[in-house]
Amino acid sequence: DAGVTQSPTHLIKTRGQQVTLRCSPKSGHDTVSWYQQALGQGPQFIFQYYEEEERQRGNFPDRFSGHQFPNYSSELNVNALLLGDSALYLCASSYGTPRAEAFFGQGTRLTVV
Amino acid sequence: EDQVTQSPEALRLQEGESSSLNCSYTVSGLRGLFWYRQDPGKGPEFLFTLYSAGEEKEKERLKATLTKKESFLHITAPKPEDSATYLCALYPKTGANNLFFGTGTRLTVIP
Repeated sequence: DAGVTQSPTHLIKTRGQQVTLRCSPKSGHDTVSWYQQALGQGPQFIFQYYEEEERQRGNFPDRFSGHQFPNYSSELNVNALLLGDSALYLCASSYGTPRAEAFFGQGTRLTVV
Repeated sequence: EDQVTQSPEALRLQEGESSSLNCSYTVSGLRGLFWYRQDPGKGPEFLFTLYSAGEEKEKERLKATLTKKESFLHITAPKPEDSATYLCALYPKTGANNLFFGTGTRLTVIP
C-alpha cells in the first residue's frame, strides 16, 4: 500500500502565478482533505472533497479551489499567488465516518518568490 | 470558541528520561482526539485516536490518555529517534469534518 502520495514535493512560483498540487489517497479511502501548514504552526484546514463534491471549506479565500476525480484523487489549485501562500500543503485521506483516522501525505513545499 | 493548546512548545529530554506532553481543549463537543508525529518537512504520521474520557492507547514507548478537558502523551524511556514534533488534533463539533490542530510540541531527545 503506497499510502497517500502527493506531487510535486517542492515547488517555487512567482507572485501572481497559479499552481496545481496533486494528491492520490490511500487505497480504499474516498475522502480527501487539504491543509496548509506554515512554519512552526499546526496544519490549517482548507477544504474537503467527498464524492467529487466540496463537502466543507475552511477560512480560505476563493483563490483556493479544488477538484476530486472519480478515482478519488484530488487537486488543489491556488490562483494569484501571494508571498504568504508559501507553506507546506498537506493532503489527508480517510474513509467513512467523519471520526475516521486521517492519513497524511508527505506534503508539497510551496515557495512563492 | 474552540481552542486546542499544546504544552510545552518545546521539550528537551535526555535519552531514557520519561515525560509527558499535554493537549488541553475547549470545544463544543469532542468527537475524537488524534495524536500525530511529524518529522521536519514531512507530513504528520498517525499515532492514536481517542474517543471518550478514560480511554488509553499504547504503542511502543508512547501512551496516550484522555480526560474531558485534556489529553496526555506519555513518553517512557525515550530514544533519539523519538525526536519530532507531536501534534494533537480533534474534530471540534458535530457536523465539522475537518481536524482542528494544536501548534505542536517539538521534542528533542539527547543521546
